[in-house]
Amino acid sequence: KAGVTQTPRYLIKTRGQQVTLSCSPISGHRSVSWYQQTPGQGLQFLFEYFSETQRNKGNFPGRFSGRQFSNSRSEMNVSTLELGDSALYLCASSPSRGQLNTEAFFGQGTRLTVV
Amino acid sequence: SQQGEEDPQALSIQEGENATMNCSYKTSINNLQWYRQNSGRGLVHLILIRSNEREKHSGRLRVTLDTSKKSSSLLITASRAADTASYFCATQDAGGTSYGKLTFGQGTILTVHP
Repeated sequence: KAGVTQTPRYLIKTRGQQVTLSCSPISGHRSVSWYQQTPGQGLQFLFEYFSETQRNKGNFPGRFSGRQFSNSRSEMNVSTLELGDSALYLCASSPSRGQLNTEAFFGQGTRLTVV
Repeated sequence: SQQGEEDPQALSIQEGENATMNCSYKTSINNLQWYRQNSGRGLVHLILIRSNEREKHSGRLRVTLDTSKKSSSLLITASRAADTASYFCATQDAGGTSYGKLTFGQGTILTVHP
């Protein structure tokens, strides 16, 4: 079974630009969550999607958005990039959000550098 | 926001020794999970312990959970150089509104010397 696939692996963008990151979950998984990892703030939850609907959202500004498609693939978008958005963005999938005690399977991440 | 503290922040041991990492959290939880991360790559799930469990084993891993103290520990026995990584605890808060969301600790950097 293929794992969680994130593309691209690396990105360099300029301040003010926007960026779109993609995540393909494990086949059959319907819940996709996104996390931002920085040296200063650690791992922080961005949002979670299930059945094409955002079900949970972390404490991030509106510049951070996402969506999920009918095949469960997800994208996240960051507009008007700031230097502080430089981070490793991780996507995780789970079989279903209705199940308690379900582990998350993470992708390798997208390393975003804003210059 | 981070759930709580992990202790120690860094741990350096010799191959064959045991490694113990501790995690504290602040809220009521459904479960607590431990993950490993190698060199800023993706996280790998190690073990999950439910809020009504006190101890769990998986291979060389032993996890304990004390919900009265809101703390957990991860023990890796007979460490190997390949165990060198960052280890994170993550909690799923109690209540259905927290499905799909994990709150992570700051992590412990483990270095195992051959």
